[in-house]
Amino acid sequence: NAGVTQTPKFRVLKTGQSMTLLCAQDMNHEYMYWYRQDPGMGLRLIHYSVGEGTTAKGEVPDGYNVSRLKKQNFLLGLESAAPSQTSVYFCAGGQGSTEAFFGQGTRLTVV
Amino acid sequence: SQKIEQNSEALNIQEGKTATLTCNYTNYSPAYLQWYRQDPGRGPVFLLLIRENEKEKRKERLKVTFDTTLKQSLFHITASQPADSATYLCARSGAGSYQLTFGKGTKLSVIP
Repeated sequence: NAGVTQTPKFRVLKTGQSMTLLCAQDMNHEYMYWYRQDPGMGLRLIHYSVGEGTTAKGEVPDGYNVSRLKKQNFLLGLESAAPSQTSVYFCAGGQGSTEAFFGQGTRLTVV
Repeated sequence: SQKIEQNSEALNIQEGKTATLTCNYTNYSPAYLQWYRQDPGRGPVFLLLIRENEKEKRKERLKVTFDTTLKQSLFHITASQPADSATYLCARSGAGSYQLTFGKGTKLSVIP
């Protein structure tokens, strides 16, 4: 039982490149979330999903896209990376009314 | 928008004392308030959840309260230990919102 797993753990991108972050969960969570965490800003919600095939915008969605084609996976895409997207990204899963389980994070640097 | 605020960025406390962290929310009351612990380089880990109709919840040395009049939750760690040093995050969820929204966190340092 791995819980919530994020891939990759670290990545360096050049400005304008694209990439996809993968979040996989084996806990049958209905809800999944993508956050970014920056110094002094706390965890800010990018996008979230309340079930397979659904996605919704969070607080800071610009520059990101997401997909939830399968219940266990939630993908976060950056189509054209910018230095402002340098951050630590966390994925989480939960059932909405109970606790959320977080992945170990992805440290992304855009140069 | 539904905001959650943790006004203290940092809190230093002597070992053995009770640490009290504050979380305030705006607008209508969330159905749930949650508290998480985050260590450097790691993802947040769930500690406690309290529902809107609950006044207090306890788990071992941890206690959380929910005051809908003050729009506030307090998180207490009794008999604090250096191992309790971490950043503590408050989050709101429910009551018509599917989002799980976090405060900026309070960094607690327990001094031996």
